Amino acid sequence: QVQLVQSGAEVKEPGAAVKVSCKASGYTFTSYGISWVRQAPGQGLEWMGWISVDYGKTNYVRKFQGRVIMTTDTSTNTAYMELRNLTFDDTAVYYCVRFTSGDDYWGQGTLVTVSS
Amino acid sequence: SYELTQPPSASVSPGQTAKITCSGDTLAKKYAHWYQQKSGQAPILVIYEDNKRPSGIPERFSGSSSGTVATLTVTGAQVEDEADYHCRSTDSSGNIIFAGGTRLTVL
Repeated sequence: QVQLVQSGAEVKEPGAAVKVSCKASGYTFTSYGISWVRQAPGQGLEWMGWISVDYGKTNYVRKFQGRVIMTTDTSTNTAYMELRNLTFDDTAVYYCVRFTSGDDYWGQGTLVTVSS
Repeated sequence: SYELTQPPSASVSPGQTAKITCSGDTLAKKYAHWYQQKSGQAPILVIYEDNKRPSGIPERFSGSSSGTVATLTVTGAQVEDEADYHCRSTDSSGNIIFAGGTRLTVL
């Protein structure tokens, strides 16, 4: 079955960077893009952008451009999302998602806490 | 830029019908998808492409869309349906957008 398993919780200081991983299994990794969605405490869902696994093409939400880097490693079926220059407002649960019509798959989420 | 709007909260008595709306100009041309999210869990797709139900989702969940408003209906709401519900669509460039979510209380 399709699974997306993310790395564990992180605590970072303001100004630091965080890199979250998302290991895919149960399907051909290169056949689907991976999106990243975050959810701040008590808030709604926020799409950050997308990477096409086969070509490595990315599409970042303007708000995150210059601070986010999405990559993939097809040898390990793993997607990565790195967010730099963290602020307190970046405290959130970060999800990797395979959006497919009628059949979405979400990682379990990774809590990133920005604290001094 | 395109935006989607949901009411922040809704409530329904068990066995009654709950309706949650999602409004936005993009819905006139793009599909709405609905997610259920319970506390501490990842969202689960309950309706896709306005009115289709994924396998395993109870029939009491249905969706509709007209003009710039999409509606999620829970007919005969159960206590276990208490959750946050999120509407998703895309803008003209294909970027994904979410509304702010609606907390449904069943009591």
